[in-house]
Amino acid sequence: DTEVTQTPKHLVMGMTNKKSLKCEQHMGHRAMYWYKQKAKKPPELMFVYSYEKLSINESVPSRFSPECPNSSLLNLHLHALQPEDSALYLCASSQGTSSVETQYFGPGTRLLVL
Amino acid sequence: DQQVKQNSPSLSVQEGRISILNCDYTNSMFDYFLWYKKYPAEGPTFLISISSIKDKNEDGRFTVFLNKSAKHLSLHIVPSQPGDSAVYFCAASVGEYGNKLVFGAGTILRVKS
Repeated sequence: DTEVTQTPKHLVMGMTNKKSLKCEQHMGHRAMYWYKQKAKKPPELMFVYSYEKLSINESVPSRFSPECPNSSLLNLHLHALQPEDSALYLCASSQGTSSVETQYFGPGTRLLVL
Repeated sequence: DQQVKQNSPSLSVQEGRISILNCDYTNSMFDYFLWYKKYPAEGPTFLISISSIKDKNEDGRFTVFLNKSAKHLSLHIVPSQPGDSAVYFCAASVGEYGNKLVFGAGTILRVKS
């Protein structure tokens, strides 16, 4: 089983709203990731959590705030977003943190910022 | 700096024939390469991977070839099926950055029946 689940599937929010994206995996993976994908572009890494600690932040604006409450859950808190933040937000996980680990992706949350 | 390149935006193939998707990279430190398949509005699905110490990996209809001297890898799908129609992303990672994946721009594969 290589399932990563994400909720909600779609989200529409205003620029003053606060919302959260949720990601869950029950594969015992110790690394979890957030990616952003704009239309007709490849996924771009935002954050990496290894053993529940933030290990990589790709210079993401502070209006995006990740959180890893436990090894199975990953949240992305959103506040004061801009319309250009509209994108598909993908969560992924991998068994470990080495470069030869395969990352498994969730279905994504389609975010629209008005 | 685009370290992983997929120079063909799209590819059209007849059902039953071979599909060959290509990927070039510039960073000689990459040590793991993966292919993902993606349908619209869905997350990427892992297809097949290859370590830099190998030159070929096969899984059913999918074979990935790695030419390190040319910094080139390719994905072969034989025989191609209409359900293979999707966007295919090549991705690479390097030990220096742990598990950071760098993706190519993707190739749209259309398999005609």
